[in-house]
Amino acid sequence: DSGVTQTPKHLITATGQRVTLRCSPRSGDLSVYWYQQSLDQGLQFLIQYYNGEERAKGNILERFSAQQFPDLHSELNLSSLELGDSALYFCASSVTAGTSVGDTQYFGPGTRLTVL
Amino acid sequence: DQQVKQNSPSLSVQEGRISILNCDYTNSMFDYFLWYKKYPAEGPTFLISISSIKDKNEDGRFTVFLNKSAKHLSLHIVPSQPGDSAVYFCAASPNYGGSQGNLIFGKGTKLSVKP
Repeated sequence: DSGVTQTPKHLITATGQRVTLRCSPRSGDLSVYWYQQSLDQGLQFLIQYYNGEERAKGNILERFSAQQFPDLHSELNLSSLELGDSALYFCASSVTAGTSVGDTQYFGPGTRLTVL
Repeated sequence: DQQVKQNSPSLSVQEGRISILNCDYTNSMFDYFLWYKKYPAEGPTFLISISSIKDKNEDGRFTVFLNKSAKHLSLHIVPSQPGDSAVYFCAASPNYGGSQGNLIFGKGTKLSVKP
């Protein structure tokens, strides 16, 4: 158990809909990262928040947005869903904002999104 | 364009033997590398990392080697155990020691260790 929790575990929805994925980081971690893993793909970085503020942005679609709340949990909002958005969405957390020796990213179990 | 490549989708080894997983990268600015292990229905688990000031880092049965001139790193598992069967992801940091922590991952190599 990494200490990072994600809900829900599975989500099935229809095209055009909007969903919200939730992540609670490990206690004491200030950074939250969102990654997407599509079929046969590695993990693609979407966005990072550090202590409530956006810190880095990857290949995140405009239909997707995220935020980190004062209690440090984060939500990833996916709207106008398309079939191609079906994927595993992972959240990770780390103590600081950057990458350095000892500042490991710990991953949650993921949310499997299926868009029908 | 993939910046981190794991060219072997799968690898099968016998229990007790050495497993060698390879990873290549294209961006010479990457200077911190990590390996993650992933079991089905679980999130990736951090295994071992290496910074560019080193060419080797060891942790128990796991050793990572970095060849900067070749832009290549490898993960050695000795001896391999059936419980090591998982997908292994190589990742690189484009911003080591900086203000952003995003990682760039390879597509993974599925390791099967046969008893």
